[in-house]
Amino acid sequence: DTGVSQDPRHKITKRGQNVTFRCDPISEHNRLYWYRQTLGQGPEFLTYFQNEAQLEKSRLLSDRFSAERPKGSFSTLEIQRTEQGDSAMYLCASSLDAYYGYTFGSGTRLTVV
Amino acid sequence: GESVGLHLPTLSVQEGDNSIINCAYSNSASDYFIWYKQESGKGPQFIIDIRSNMDKRQGQRVTVLLNKTVKHLSLQIAATQPGDSAVYFCAEHNSGGGADGLTFGKGTHLIIQP
Repeated sequence: DTGVSQDPRHKITKRGQNVTFRCDPISEHNRLYWYRQTLGQGPEFLTYFQNEAQLEKSRLLSDRFSAERPKGSFSTLEIQRTEQGDSAMYLCASSLDAYYGYTFGSGTRLTVV
Repeated sequence: GESVGLHLPTLSVQEGDNSIINCAYSNSASDYFIWYKQESGKGPQFIIDIRSNMDKRQGQRVTVLLNKTVKHLSLQIAATQPGDSAVYFCAEHNSGGGADGLTFGKGTHLIIQP
């Protein structure tokens, strides 16, 4: 296992387009988290899953953001009708439980032009 | 508001010296803390963690101290090396609000002088 994988590493999109990012967690981790990081700031928690259940989504930035983890393995984060303010690094992390093994991926850098 | 913050945006130390990076948190219900290192263009890398029932934990060249009385966390790096140059974040976990995610501060940029 090579850790948490995110795809793509970089995405440039035009304003108004939809984008989808993928995260593959560490295989034995049942928790998966999405964060957003803007320049010069720490990561900001968005949502998380335990297995396939999305247990927290109130921190998603708007109703344009949605996440899925249909089979409890990989997850996708979709942003609809992108805006320039969505430009950021989107990070995925996974953990064995709430107190062990938080591991981040390398992120997807989104640029909205 | 944000419950985790770092006091110094930049810390410059001489190679070989010890580094101390500080973090203040405001949520007394936080029960777990993690220090991460982030290099440019990469995701945060786990360094060391500590639960709220401990006040000190040591790893290889790193020590985390937790003072719950004043809600203060510090990361000590011994014999700082050029590869330690990065931004360091403290993060806290609090499941009381149901979110169960980590709250990060803004980070301290550690610069190693030769």
